[in-house]
Amino acid sequence: NAGVTQTPKFQVLKTGQSMTLQCAQDMNHEYMSWYRQDPGMGLRLIHYSVGAGITDQGEVPNGYNVSRSTTEDFPLRLLSAAPSQTSVYFCASSSRRQGGPNTGELFFGEGSRLTVL
Amino acid sequence: AQSVTQLDSQVPVFEEAPVELRCNYSSSVSVYLFWYVQYPNQGLQLLLKYLSGSTLVESINGFEAEFNKSQTSFHLRKPSVHISDTAEYFCAFLGGGYNKLIFGAGTRLAVHP
Repeated sequence: NAGVTQTPKFQVLKTGQSMTLQCAQDMNHEYMSWYRQDPGMGLRLIHYSVGAGITDQGEVPNGYNVSRSTTEDFPLRLLSAAPSQTSVYFCASSSRRQGGPNTGELFFGEGSRLTVL
Repeated sequence: AQSVTQLDSQVPVFEEAPVELRCNYSSSVSVYLFWYVQYPNQGLQLLLKYLSGSTLVESINGFEAEFNKSQTSFHLRKPSVHISDTAEYFCAFLGGGYNKLIFGAGTRLAVHP
């Protein structure tokens, strides 16, 4: 069982370039999310999705786009990379209580380390 | 605003000593609280959770946390730590209509021989 898979694991970009971080999960989880991790700041929520076709903003959404066309995939797009987006990005998924909200029990990918020069 | 504060950024401790990692939350509504652990170069893993019921919750590797509503705290404790407990620990709560898991800044636990 693969769980949550993120690609690429490492990426170096130049300022202004665009790219997509891929995330896929095979647990049939409705809820998926993207976080960035920076030293001393913990994890900050970028965007999340409660199901296919539904996305919403987290704490730090500026400069990032997401879409959710299938239950399995939740890609994160950087439109025009900036040095401030240098970070480690984590994708996570969880199930929802029957007819209810997210359980909060997230399964994380291994992370994608992005450097923007 | 809902938030969670971890009071210590780093906690050094000797092997077999007890440890407490402190977490306070701010919320005016019912809270679901969590502790996650991150080992070096890995993603986070759920350590334990408080949803309702007993205020003392335990993990399979000897950690426990107590939900204290009057003090708005959810501190993590272990009576005797091992070298393998060296990791970063994150307190989190489920806010935003229960669709946003909000993390604290993390506490780096370093266990020394």
